[in-house]
Amino acid sequence: QLQLQESGPGLVKASETLSLTCTVSGASMSNRGYYWGWVRQPPGKGLEWIGSISDTGHTYYNPSLKSRVTVSVDTSKKQFSLKLSSVTAADTAVYYCARQEWGSSGPHWFDPWGQGTLVTVSS
Amino acid sequence: DIVMTQSPDSLAVSLGERATINCKSSQSLFYSSNNNNYLAWYQQKPGQPPKLLIYWASTRESGVPDRFSGSGSGTDFTLTISSLQAEDVAVYYCQQYYNSYHTFGQGTKLEIK
Repeated sequence: QLQLQESGPGLVKASETLSLTCTVSGASMSNRGYYWGWVRQPPGKGLEWIGSISDTGHTYYNPSLKSRVTVSVDTSKKQFSLKLSSVTAADTAVYYCARQEWGSSGPHWFDPWGQGTLVTVSS
Repeated sequence: DIVMTQSPDSLAVSLGERATINCKSSQSLFYSSNNNNYLAWYQQKPGQPPKLLIYWASTRESGVPDRFSGSGSGTDFTLTISSLQAEDVAVYYCQQYYNSYHTFGQGTKLEIK
């Protein structure tokens, strides 16, 4: 059974870079049928897609975050990672990683999801 | 960006009654080449990650109870819970994947009346 687990610092200082890793277990990442994505959720608010990556490193980013986001993948370690630079209090959120089905139009729905990790940006 | 707007923002329904949540997209999510609507629905309970319920607007994910159904096409979609159970209390989100810049609805909070 596929499982995903986010890891990384729970507290990041404003203006610094947020770095998270998602570790995949229960299945290989080297399957051209999937993308791997990041979604965040500020406390008490809705879901915002951040970015997605294929096993070969092809990426899609949210245009509103694109200038600050880098998503990378290491299939040998069964991990993919998120870096978000120049963070502010507005980046405080629960960050989720998830697998995405893929089709000719690109990544599709998210399933399954990791449990999420809260990252707080402090001033 | 494709903007997804859900209605209502919150909903209270009696146990055993029908719950209906709507999702409207700012442009059509229908691909005529494959006759599919590029829309998914998720359920999120407090303290948990979202759970996939429906994809292709009306295909139920394996293991999801059949009281959950999705319908609609183009720009207007509906998630229906035919007979509300206590465990269905949650926030429900729609998501479009028509283009690679995914967007979610703002969420609909479902409670028991």
